[in-house]
Order: sequence, then structure tokens, then C-alpha cells
Amino acid sequence: KAGVTQTPRYLIKTRGQQVTLSCSPISGHRSVSWYQQTPGQGLQFLFEYFSETQRNKGNFPGRFSGRQFSNSRSEMNVSTLELGDSALYLCASTRTGGYTEAFFGQGTRLTVV
Amino acid sequence: AQTVTQSQPEMSVQEAETVTLSCTYDTSESDYYLFWYKQPPSRQMILVIRQEAYKQQNATENRFSVNFQKAAKSFSLKISDSQLGDAAMYFCAYINTNAGKSTFGDGTTLTVKP
Repeated sequence: KAGVTQTPRYLIKTRGQQVTLSCSPISGHRSVSWYQQTPGQGLQFLFEYFSETQRNKGNFPGRFSGRQFSNSRSEMNVSTLELGDSALYLCASTRTGGYTEAFFGQGTRLTVV
Repeated sequence: AQTVTQSQPEMSVQEAETVTLSCTYDTSESDYYLFWYKQPPSRQMILVIRQEAYKQQNATENRFSVNFQKAAKSFSLKISDSQLGDAAMYFCAYINTNAGKSTFGDGTTLTVKP
């Protein structure tokens, strides 16, 4: 069974630009969560999608948004990039969310210059 | 709000010895799950072990075991017979049964010395 796939693996963007990251969950998994990982802030929850609906949201500004498609693939968008958005963005999928363990992708390393 | 605290930013252990990583959490919920994840330099987060809050028996996975103290809200990870491949950052995580949101600790970087 294929794991969680995140694309691209690396990305360099300029301040003010926008970026879209993609996450393909494990087949059969309907819940996709996104996390931002930085050295100073650790792992911060961004949002979770389940069956194309945002079910949970972390404390991030509105510049961070996401969506989920009918095939459970999810995209995350960050508009008006800031230097502080440089981070590793991790996506995790679970069958239904909640108590089942999350399976993580390898992440997208975003650098904003 | 749930919080997860890992009080040891860094730990080191000699190969073949035992090390314990600490984790405490705060929640008002009674039904939840706790996890330990490992993140090696490759960045891939890997599940190490899982504990259901309603189970009194501590979870064990080969060389990895937990000491779950529900009343004290403590969930430590013991690694026995440490191996060089155990070197990684370890994250403790809490998941509410009804929610899809996980709360992670800040991580403990484990170094294994040969």
C-alpha cells in the first residue's frame, strides 16, 4: 500500500508570493491533517479535512487555507508569503481521524526568501 | 485546551543501554489516545507506539514500552537495548477520541552513542 505522498518536496518562494502544497493520503483514508514544523515552534496543527469538509482548525491566520477533493487528496495554500512561513509542512492521513494513528508524509520544505 | 509537555529537549544514551523519555499532558477529557512518534533525519514521522487511555495495561512494541499513569497524566517512553538507528527526534502526541486534531509536544532529540 502506498504511503502518504507530499509534493513538492522542496520549494523556494519570494515574500508576497503564494504557494500550493499537495498531499495524497493513503488509499482508503478520508482524513487529512496539515502541520507546520519549525525549530522554534515545534509541530503546530494547521487544519484537518474529512470528506471534503474542514473539521478542525488551528490558530493560523487566514492566509493559510486548504481544501480536500472527492478522492481525499488535499491541498494547502499560503498567500502573501512571509519569511516566517519558512518551515517543513507535514501532512498526515488517518482512516477516519480521531483515535486512529496518523501516517505522515515526508513533508514539503518551504523556504521563503 | 490540551497541552503536551516534553521536558527533555535532548537526551543521550549509550548503545545497548536503556533510556526513558518523559511526556506529560493536560486534558479534561477522559477518552483519548496517546502516541509516540519518531522523526529521524529523513524527516519521515514514524509511529512508535500507541496507548488507549481506557486501557490500564502499558503498551509494548518490541524494545519500546510506555509507562502510562493516567491520574498523573504522564506518558513516558522507555527504549531498551538502544540501537544507533534509534537516534531521532521523538514526539509525544495526544488525540481526543472525537476530534481529528492532534496535539504534539516539542520533541526530544535522542542521541545514541556507540
